[in-house]
Amino acid sequence: AQSVAQPEDQVNVAEGNPLTVKCTYSVSGNPYLFWYVQYPNRGLQFLLKYITGDNLVKGSYGFEAEFNKSQTSFHLKKPSALVSDSALYFCASRQLTFGSGTQLTVLP
Amino acid sequence: DAGVIQSPRHEVTEMGQEVTLRCKPISGHDYLFWYRQTMMRGLELLIYFNNNVPIDDSGMPEDRFSAKMPNASFSTLKIQPSEPRDSAVYFCASSYNQGGYNSPLHFGNGTRLTVT
Repeated sequence: AQSVAQPEDQVNVAEGNPLTVKCTYSVSGNPYLFWYVQYPNRGLQFLLKYITGDNLVKGSYGFEAEFNKSQTSFHLKKPSALVSDSALYFCASRQLTFGSGTQLTVLP
Repeated sequence: DAGVIQSPRHEVTEMGQEVTLRCKPISGHDYLFWYRQTMMRGLELLIYFNNNVPIDDSGMPEDRFSAKMPNASFSTLKIQPSEPRDSAVYFCASSYNQGGYNSPLHFGNGTRLTVT
């Protein structure tokens, strides 16, 4: 069975500090991994994706993620968090399997 | 590009009533997905279509739920009869897949359904 796990329901980080939102996957074949962000009362918005090639992918709003095949992980990172980054983040494999979401709160 | 358009944004209905949710995907997209989001169960895939044909409806919770895509620019999700446990936010999303599930999804802003 295909699955995506986000082990942390909530991540708090101070503004200006680096942030990491974790994601692991269990997928047969090419995982085609995505990160999406959801702001209140809105649909999910695409941030970045890994399909093949360079393991470090860069996306919107200064976010990046590193694909690690040996650890089956695809953690989302940003060097310096902003209060406006506070939102719900989802990791997904292909378009069919989503993680449970991680609420990121950036404290001023 | 207007994005994926869903209507209504909010729907409040009484148990037993029929509810119809509507979605207009982005023009040119060949896949359309219906998801349901709740606090308890997170984001669940209900059904998806490729070129207007349903591909997988295994996520549809019960026979009370049905979805159609009569043409490339319109889809409906119907619940009949509705129950309080159907209360959730329902999202429609579309994508252009080019043969693989490797393109980003474009989501609508959702329909918040409340069944009393």
